[in-house]
Amino acid sequence: DIQMTQSPSSLSASVGDRVTITCQATQDISIYLNWYQQKPGKAPKLLIYDASNLETGVPSRFSGSGSGTHFTFTITTLQPEDIATYYCQHYDNLPLTFGGGTKVEIK
Amino acid sequence: QVQLVESGGGVVQPGGSLRLSCAASGFTFSSYGIHWVRQAPGKGLEWVAFIRFDGSNKYYADSVKGRFTISRDNSKNTLYLQMNSLRAEDTAVYYCARDRAVFGFYSALDYWGQGTLVTVSS
Repeated sequence: DIQMTQSPSSLSASVGDRVTITCQATQDISIYLNWYQQKPGKAPKLLIYDASNLETGVPSRFSGSGSGTHFTFTITTLQPEDIATYYCQHYDNLPLTFGGGTKVEIK
Repeated sequence: QVQLVESGGGVVQPGGSLRLSCAASGFTFSSYGIHWVRQAPGKGLEWVAFIRFDGSNKYYADSVKGRFTISRDNSKNTLYLQMNSLRAEDTAVYYCARDRAVFGFYSALDYWGQGTLVTVSS
């Protein structure tokens, strides 16, 4: 199974800051990587698919990049409503696996 | 608008069974594969199972293989998860989620239900 390692596991940043989360796969997954946002008590929401494509309706301050084994998720200007846990997920093969999550808090 | 609504969760004893349902609306259900994903209390996301748009292929996580069965009724726009031989470690919120690939295999999960809680406890 492909393991996805996210870092950091949590972070605290100020409104307006640039936030970066990384996700590393244990093998080459090309661009088969998605990013989700989960707010407390809610279902996950797809933000980025195929490593860098913004899902319809998602604000442009969210972006993704990378290919192969190393991926990056960025919030260019952190907003109060971005408080959530973010997960990466690969779909190179089954089983689909998710990263452990990154909890983003406001400083 | 796309909606997925899970039901059927509850408290069950170890070794017991439960059947979850996921009612879909707002899209052509028979064109999309659907996943079950679970989340144990305070933990991360774990993929459980996937069924292709026509039910022709079904896939399971090793942790549930042989105990859980995914199925669908396209005439009723409904997905199911039959869970047998339940264990304490199956305790989680179970989400159904649509795969965004029309007539495809697995990719991104673009719409999720609100989840239903399954608690396995004596």
